[in-house]
Amino acid sequence: NAGVMQNPRHLVRRRGQEARLRCSPMKGHSHVYWYRQLPEEGLKFMVYLQKENIIDESGMPKERFSAEFPKEGPSILRIQQVVRGDSAAYFCASSPAAVQETQYFGPGTRLLVL
Amino acid sequence: SQKIEQNSEALNIQEGKTATLTCNYTNYSPAYLQWYRQDPGRGPVFLLLIRENEKEKRKERLKVTFDTTLKQSLFHITASQPADSATYLCALKFRNNRLAFGKGNQVVVIP
Repeated sequence: NAGVMQNPRHLVRRRGQEARLRCSPMKGHSHVYWYRQLPEEGLKFMVYLQKENIIDESGMPKERFSAEFPKEGPSILRIQQVVRGDSAAYFCASSPAAVQETQYFGPGTRLLVL
Repeated sequence: SQKIEQNSEALNIQEGKTATLTCNYTNYSPAYLQWYRQDPGRGPVFLLLIRENEKEKRKERLKVTFDTTLKQSLFHITASQPADSATYLCALKFRNNRLAFGKGNQVVVIP
């Protein structure tokens, strides 16, 4: 049973470009969470999604950031017009619908904005 | 606002000894608290969950305590091994299943 998959593992973008981060949850998991980890900082919650629904996006900046979890395919975190301050590690976690206490994390995508 | 504090200084400990980490939180009463391990360049890995009505939880060489009066959790690694060297994160569950993490506490086990 494969774990949470994220790709790409590393992403380099120039200021103003778009970044698309993908997350495939564990098999059977329908809840996805995105977190951001800045250097020397703790993980910060960004958004919580179920299939085709955004449950809580209170941790996500209102501008330039968006997330989706379509019926088919991976969850996508999209950052438009990236700035240097977006450089961070972005982690996705998933949990099954029935038991939502434990979240299983992917390896993360390290975004570097030049 | 809620605050979760872990010691920012790395804990250097001799192999075989017990490592003890502290997690303090304010302005919240979580239903449960979790501990994760994170290795450099990797995602967090779930270790233990302890509920507000539980005082202590054990898993192999790991032990967690939870004092809701003090708003504190202690995380112990007994008989520590070099392979235990990592950063350990404390996390509290808030509404809508979101987790709030401390910054983590690095443990270095010296052979």
